Amino acid sequence: AQTVTQSQPEMSVQEAETVTLSCTYDTSESDYYLFWYKQPPSRQMILVIRQEAYKQQNATENRFSVNFQKAAKSFSLKISDSQLGDAAMYFCAYRSRRVIQGAQKLVFGQGTRLTINP
Amino acid sequence: GAVVSQHPSWVICKSGTSVKIECRSLDFQATTMFWYRQFPKQSLMLMATSNEGSKATYEQGVEKDKFLINHASLTLSTLTVTSAHPEDSSFYICSANRDRGYEQYFGPGTRLTVT
Repeated sequence: AQTVTQSQPEMSVQEAETVTLSCTYDTSESDYYLFWYKQPPSRQMILVIRQEAYKQQNATENRFSVNFQKAAKSFSLKISDSQLGDAAMYFCAYRSRRVIQGAQKLVFGQGTRLTINP
Repeated sequence: GAVVSQHPSWVICKSGTSVKIECRSLDFQATTMFWYRQFPKQSLMLMATSNEGSKATYEQGVEKDKFLINHASLTLSTLTVTSAHPEDSSFYICSANRDRGYEQYFGPGTRLTVT
């Protein structure tokens, strides 16, 4: 079974600075997706960024980028120019690309609470 | 597009009663829906996966007779908590897949309080 580990329960950063959230995962599969989700105080889950394992290029979405190290099974999220609205819980998640029943489910990490200091 | 709604957003019920939570995909057909439970300051725990027209697949440790899931149409799945007890109080979140796309679209969640 796949597992996802986020070893930083809490992180804080000064507004406008850069912060990196860590995530490691374990799988025997070679083809999969990795995601970072944001859960603000409203508790609505928001997709921040995704990475396909077969792609070597790291995904970027505006101020958000990832460092995907497939061999090390590491998937960190970098937030540049942090803004107050970035304060939230961040979850790393894994999803298989296998097309069989049950493979579509997301496996979540424990989450990292990010605080932005003004 | 790809909006998922949940109803109600907040429900209080007495111990021993049953409560139904609805999850709807508003602008797409959801072949698969997922139900999660989230305790305060914790991660999402998958309870079950439901496919339209078939029985839900429950995760290990989830009581299928207590948490009844019905996926009656391609736009609606329901979670019924039967004979609710205070320990069932939690935040319940649903999500939906469109076709075989990679993305899960999440509902806003339902806060259940059992008194």
